[in-house]
Amino acid sequence: EVQLLESGGGLVQPGGSLRLSCAASGFTFSSYAMSWVRQAPGKGLEWVSAISGSGGSTYYADSVKGRFTISRDNSKNTLYLQMNSLRAEDTAVYYCAKSQPYCSGGSCYSVAWGQGTLVTVSS
Amino acid sequence: QSVLTQPPSVSGAPGQRVTISCTGSSSNIGAGYDVHWYQQLPGTAPKLLIYGNSNRPSGVPDRFSGSKSGTSASLAITGLQAEDEADYYCQSYDSSLSGRFYVFGTGTKVTVL
Repeated sequence: EVQLLESGGGLVQPGGSLRLSCAASGFTFSSYAMSWVRQAPGKGLEWVSAISGSGGSTYYADSVKGRFTISRDNSKNTLYLQMNSLRAEDTAVYYCAKSQPYCSGGSCYSVAWGQGTLVTVSS
Repeated sequence: QSVLTQPPSVSGAPGQRVTISCTGSSSNIGAGYDVHWYQQLPGTAPKLLIYGNSNRPSGVPDRFSGSKSGTSASLAITGLQAEDEADYYCQSYDSSLSGRFYVFGTGTKVTVL
């Protein structure tokens, strides 16, 4: 059974940093692209970032480009999101998600999601 | 601001059919990129409902169906049930001068009357 468990969320001041982790199990982690998707309180879903199975290719939404860094450690079956220069508008539940097999280009979709971790940016 | 527009809400009585539209443009749906749909029950993570415009993952009831035409896509729920009350999101890919990225629709809340 596929399991994705996010951690690392919490309260941080504007301008601060936070690193989210997503521990994966139940599948061959290195074979799948992974994504981070966020949802602000009472709002819709927003794609944040994605990474290829090898980690060699990364993608970012314009809203986080230059501030967030996605990475993965395939030896630990863990996905990360390093978030710097945080703003109030980054407040959201952050979900990690697993893509379908052979995801590439614009064809990717998320077949499994974690339960999310809440990030609150406030002074 | 999402580039895929959905109606904020739709409603129907049990047993009825409801449809949710997802309107894009020539840089996403109209460019040939697939549309996928997710269901988010209250207080839970999203769940894949339809992939590749019209395909259902194993375990998704055949009451749910998807279609795509031109710059739009639709999700239909036939035989509406109380358990279908949830938020629904479409997702596709956008490639324009401003960059390439995955995009979600604005979301639609389905209410079972």
